[in-house]
Amino acid sequence: NAGVTQTPKFQVLKTGQSMTLQCAQDMNHEYMSWYRQDPGMGLRLIHYSVGAGITDQGEVPNGYNVSRSTTEDFPLRLLSAAPSQTSVYFCASSRRDSWNEKLFFGSGTQLSVL
Amino acid sequence: DAKTTQPNSMESNEEEPVHLPCNHSTISGTDYIHWYRQLPSQGPEYVIHGLTSNVNNRMASLAIAEDRKSSTLILHRATLRDAAVYYCILRVNNRKLIWGLGTSLAVNP
Repeated sequence: NAGVTQTPKFQVLKTGQSMTLQCAQDMNHEYMSWYRQDPGMGLRLIHYSVGAGITDQGEVPNGYNVSRSTTEDFPLRLLSAAPSQTSVYFCASSRRDSWNEKLFFGSGTQLSVL
Repeated sequence: DAKTTQPNSMESNEEEPVHLPCNHSTISGTDYIHWYRQLPSQGPEYVIHGLTSNVNNRMASLAIAEDRKSSTLILHRATLRDAAVYYCILRVNNRKLIWGLGTSLAVNP
């Protein structure tokens, strides 16, 4: 049982480049979300999804796009990377009936934008 | 928004109990209190949550003050594997999670 799998673990981008952070879960969870973790700040929600085909913005959505075509996958796209997006990114999932009670997190992607 | 305040760091000895405090004086009546922990180079891991009553599970206990302005996460017997950053979080309006900065717990052998 892999849980929540994020790839890649590390990534270095140049300003203006695009990339997709991958997130997959094998627990059949309806709810998935993306957070970023920055020094001196708590985790902040970027985007979330309550099911396939449904996405919504969190508190810091600018510069990021998401889509949810399947229950298992929830990729996060950076269309034009900026140094302010240097951060550690975490994907999380949970059951719909406990969607904000018990989150299962991946191990993170450390992104540096030069 | 409501917020939480935790000590930056704490230290404990192996096999002793650990009490991790959290202040949330601006909590509203419907806000839940959650705790997660984060081991080095890993994502956060759910520990426990509660609303008003004290809660116990296999990992820890959560003691909530009667006025709900503070709470304490209790690890009954700390092990070296419990060394982590512990986050006290408020779930506001049953939707939004407000993360604090966490307490870094060191466990001495």
